[in-house]
Amino acid sequence: KAGVTQTPRYLIKTRGQQVTLSCSPISGHRSVSWYQQTPGQGLQFLFEYFSETQRNKGNFPGRFSGRQFSNSRSEMNVSTLELGDSALYLCASSSPPDSFENIQYFGAGTRLSVL
Amino acid sequence: LAKTTQPISMDSYEGQEVNITCSHNNIATNDYITWYQQFPSQGPRFIIQGYKTKVTNEVASLFIPADRKSSTLSLPRVSLSDTAVYYCLVGGTNAGKSTFGDGTTLTVKP
Repeated sequence: KAGVTQTPRYLIKTRGQQVTLSCSPISGHRSVSWYQQTPGQGLQFLFEYFSETQRNKGNFPGRFSGRQFSNSRSEMNVSTLELGDSALYLCASSSPPDSFENIQYFGAGTRLSVL
Repeated sequence: LAKTTQPISMDSYEGQEVNITCSHNNIATNDYITWYQQFPSQGPRFIIQGYKTKVTNEVASLFIPADRKSSTLSLPRVSLSDTAVYYCLVGGTNAGKSTFGDGTTLTVKP
C-alpha cells in the first residue's frame, strides 16, 4: 500500500508570491491534516479535512487555506508569502477519522523556502 | 486540548534501554496516547499507541499507569539509527483535537 505522497518535495519562492502544495493520502483514508514545522515553533496544526469539509483549523492567518477533493487528495495554499513561512509542510492522513485511536500517517513533507 | 510535557533531550549508548516519559495531566477519558518518531527532514512515523496499562509491539513498549496522567515509551537496546525526535501525542477523534509537544531529542552514542 502506498504511503502519503506530498509534492513537490522542495520549493523556493520569493516574498509576495503564492504557493500550492499537494497531498495524496493513503488509499482509503478520508481524513487529511496539514502541519507546519519550523525549528522555533515545532509542529503546528494548520487544518484538517474530511470528506471535502474542513473539520478543524489551527491558529494561522487567512493566507493559509486548503481544500480536499472528492478522491480525498488535498491541497494547501499560502498566499502573499512571507519569510516566516519558510518551513517543512507536512501532510498526514488517517482513517477512520472518528475512531478514538486515530493514527496519523505522515508524508515526507514539502520543504518551502521563501527568499 | 491535552498538553504534553516531555524532556527536551536525552542521551544514551548503543545497546541500552531508553525510557522517555511524557506528562499529560489533563488527559480526557476518551484520549489515546500515541508516540511518533521523526528523523530530520522527514514526517513523523507512528511507533506505538495505547489507552491504559502496557502495550508492546516489535519496536517499543508503552507503559501507562492507572491514572493515565503520564506515559513512558520504552525502547529496548537502542542503536545509532534510533537517534531521532520522539513525540508524545494525546488526543481524541481528529487531528485538531490533539497537539504535538516539543518532543524529546534522543541521541544514541556508540
